[in-house]
Amino acid sequence: GDSVTQMEGPVTLSEEAFLTINCTYTATGYPSLFWYVQYPGEGLQLLLKATKADDKGSNKGFEATYRKETTSFHLEKGSVQVSDSAVYFCALTPSGGYNKLIFGAGTRLAVHP
Amino acid sequence: NAGVMQNPRHLVRRRGQEARLRCSPVKGHSHVYWYRQLPEEGLKFMVYLQKENIIDESGMPKERFSAEFPKEGPSILRIQQVVRGDSAAYFCASSPTDSLNTEAFFGQGTRLTVV
Repeated sequence: GDSVTQMEGPVTLSEEAFLTINCTYTATGYPSLFWYVQYPGEGLQLLLKATKADDKGSNKGFEATYRKETTSFHLEKGSVQVSDSAVYFCALTPSGGYNKLIFGAGTRLAVHP
Repeated sequence: NAGVMQNPRHLVRRRGQEARLRCSPVKGHSHVYWYRQLPEEGLKFMVYLQKENIIDESGMPKERFSAEFPKEGPSILRIQQVVRGDSAAYFCASSPTDSLNTEAFFGQGTRLTVV
């Protein structure tokens, strides 16, 4: 079945460091890909998405590019802030499907001043 | 505009009791999804409902779990005879349509603890 694998955390960075969180997926057809962020005690918020190969999603300085050849959707940010500390989830929805999300296990990011 | 409202935020039940989790979707949204998050894990799909209909319950355990989304009122996830393994965070999401072009908005979750 369809699945998402993302790098284990926690990831600990200093403020203004470069961030990469790896995400790879297994799916038939052409899934849509998402990154969600969960702040402490909160629900999930959509961070960015891409719906077809080579699309780049971006929001709040975060970027991810849908790479079908490597089945990847790595999350990057050039300069992280303390306020970016959260858990980040990579997810997909199967092609032709509705908003039924399949999530990775999540990566906790801690940014220190 | 109010977002997705879930209540209670925290629920403690003894083994064998029933747990009822409520989800009020964003106003105007008729599609509701329930997910379960076990400690240190990602969210797992449980069930997808439209008003008065269960569309996909492929992620629901076969026994003790049920869900409904009536014509009026919130969606309810019911867990009968809870066991320790049911302890988790349960999240609800809603969307106005089932299209992938519309964002699904998540509630803050209900954290169920079975003692």
